[in-house]
Amino acid sequence: RKEVEQDPGPFNVPEGATVAFNCTYSNSASQSFFWYRQDCRKEPKLLMSVYSSGNEDGRFTAQLNRASQYISLLIRDSKLSDSATYLCVVNIRTGNQFYFGTGTSLTVIP
Amino acid sequence: GAVVSQHPSWVICKSGTSVKIECRSLDFQATTMFWYRQFPKQSLMLMATSNEGSKATYEQGVEKDKFLINHASLTLSTLTVTSAHPEDSSFYICSASPQSNTIYFGEGSWLTVV
Repeated sequence: RKEVEQDPGPFNVPEGATVAFNCTYSNSASQSFFWYRQDCRKEPKLLMSVYSSGNEDGRFTAQLNRASQYISLLIRDSKLSDSATYLCVVNIRTGNQFYFGTGTSLTVIP
Repeated sequence: GAVVSQHPSWVICKSGTSVKIECRSLDFQATTMFWYRQFPKQSLMLMATSNEGSKATYEQGVEKDKFLINHASLTLSTLTVTSAHPEDSSFYICSASPQSNTIYFGEGSWLTVV
């Protein structure tokens, strides 16, 4: 079983739509959780960390469900510029291990 | 500004030659760095974990003699693709983490072998 499972998509949504991505992780000892954004032909960049209480940054909301071992990313009022691949990353602090989802491709359509 | 810097961004080499890619942590010391490869429209694939002062740990299926990793200092890791072939053409990315807090990626290196 993979450490991190993520639906690769693609998700094609119209501008203004709300879209949500989920990512499940297998190791209950996972400590830290992140969402990264990767644009075409570029390196991944940190979008936001995911905190236990959930956190919001503008149109983006990240949530963590430890009981079910998944994290989610919600994007409201999608913009064309949101088109990218979204990667979930899970850190298991012991041994400084980071595990990546395969990425979810999002295309926002005019 | 970049926290992890990678060089070169683009490189074209002839088949059979070797190419070295550098990864530097700019604001912190990194005892561990990671090297990935990403083919077009595919996900990141972890190739190896670079450990300062010791041998790198390679993922299954990655040839250690072909992808030489050297982590000679706390701020620099290098990946050398030896005897490169066209199928090695890919996007190579490194990453490092300050204090297990989060992970930062280098800008990536596009390798084209002709």
